[in-house]
Amino acid sequence: EAQVTQNPRYLITVTGKKLTVTCSQNMNHEYMSWYRQDPGLGLRQIYYSMNVEVTDKGDVPEGYKVSRKEKRNFPLILESPSPNQTSLYFCASSLRRLAKISSYEQYFGPGTRLTVT
Amino acid sequence: SQKIEQNSEALNIQEGKTATLTCNYTNYSPAYLQWYRQDPGRGPVFLLLIRENEKEKRKERLKVTFDTTLKQSLFHITASQPADSATYLCALVGDDKIIFGKGTRLHILP
Repeated sequence: EAQVTQNPRYLITVTGKKLTVTCSQNMNHEYMSWYRQDPGLGLRQIYYSMNVEVTDKGDVPEGYKVSRKEKRNFPLILESPSPNQTSLYFCASSLRRLAKISSYEQYFGPGTRLTVT
Repeated sequence: SQKIEQNSEALNIQEGKTATLTCNYTNYSPAYLQWYRQDPGRGPVFLLLIRENEKEKRKERLKVTFDTTLKQSLFHITASQPADSATYLCALVGDDKIIFGKGTRLHILP
């Protein structure tokens, strides 16, 4: 089954304790992205990757890191989490970069609810 | 800066009627616009996309229009059903970036 998986689905942690949220897709998609969703603010893009070893900042990258060493995986790293990073996080993938010429819908993972105390 | 607005936070529609959701944007010239459905606690699911040179797109009971002069997209669900109750998000796509609206919570009343 074609899907985007995220782990963990729920995480409660303390300020400053490094964590990684994994994301994996089995559709051979080139484009992957991370979003956070907060009440009243909607979905905001954190980082995206157009292909292996190519990553770029979205609208809210501060406090986050990503890597894309393999096409299928795109982990999100919080080196020193803070309470303002408490949010619902979504990973998404798309067949191709969201370019003007070709466009493909994004497939979203089930979400990771993170609480930082 | 780029701004995208969806007309209301919540919309109540009687079952069987047409639900119309609005997405307006400023300071942006998107290549295309997408609509997603999101159920509580789940990731968004893609519904439709419409390109800048298209006026209208249909898929079963769904219809999307795109007016680049008005900088507006309308999303219609005809013959609405309680199962259509969800949050609907519009998203503008240009180059490699995508910007989402905050969504409209649609309630279809039986």
